[in-house]
Amino acid sequence: TQLLEQSPQFLSIQEGENLTVYCNSSSVFSSLQWYRQEPGEGPVLLVTVVTGGEVKKLKRLTFQFGDARKDSSLHITAAQPGDTGLYLCAGALTGGGNKLTFGTGTQLKVEL
Amino acid sequence: GAVVSQHPSWVICKSGTSVKIECRSLDFQATTMFWYRQFPKQSLMLMATSNEGSKATYEQGVEKDKFLINHASLTLSTLTVTSAHPEDSSFYICSARVLAGALYEQYFGPGTRLTVT
Repeated sequence: TQLLEQSPQFLSIQEGENLTVYCNSSSVFSSLQWYRQEPGEGPVLLVTVVTGGEVKKLKRLTFQFGDARKDSSLHITAAQPGDTGLYLCAGALTGGGNKLTFGTGTQLKVEL
Repeated sequence: GAVVSQHPSWVICKSGTSVKIECRSLDFQATTMFWYRQFPKQSLMLMATSNEGSKATYEQGVEKDKFLINHASLTLSTLTVTSAHPEDSSFYICSARVLAGALYEQYFGPGTRLTVT
């Protein structure tokens, strides 16, 4: 059983559309990170959220941590082709030694 | 800051040979590094936690005698795939843990594509 489930798995949209990616778990995380990975490269850290209910914005990307720290969402406004990539959430379990548990991933493709 | 490099970026080897992959933190010291494996279009799977000056901690199902990890300095961890077989072909990624304020964050290397023929 995957600890962190992401939805949707795949998403193909047109440039300018908005989208939301969800990261859900039944476990509580002390912190949660979002990464973007492009083919043949390592994941790049986008944001870390720590407090339940926290909202962070990074240009057109809005990240939210659930009140109970069990889930998170990533919302992209006016998507651009450069947003194409694999989006991964990763959580650090409380008492888990700071190891990250990665989500199942969401493959996003933004077309012109 | 927080740049992690890996070498080589890709390697092709014959079945039965061993391959060593290096992971370096370029502008910081890391007492803890992590090794992941990733199959095409899938998420990252943690293989082991590499601790400077001590033995690595392996995740369940990962053979420690097959995937040898050495973290001999604060900036270098190595993963050696011994007696490689085609099923070991994969994308291997390392990360280094950095204390950012009161939080630990992980920064990833660019990955190493291993193909075993």
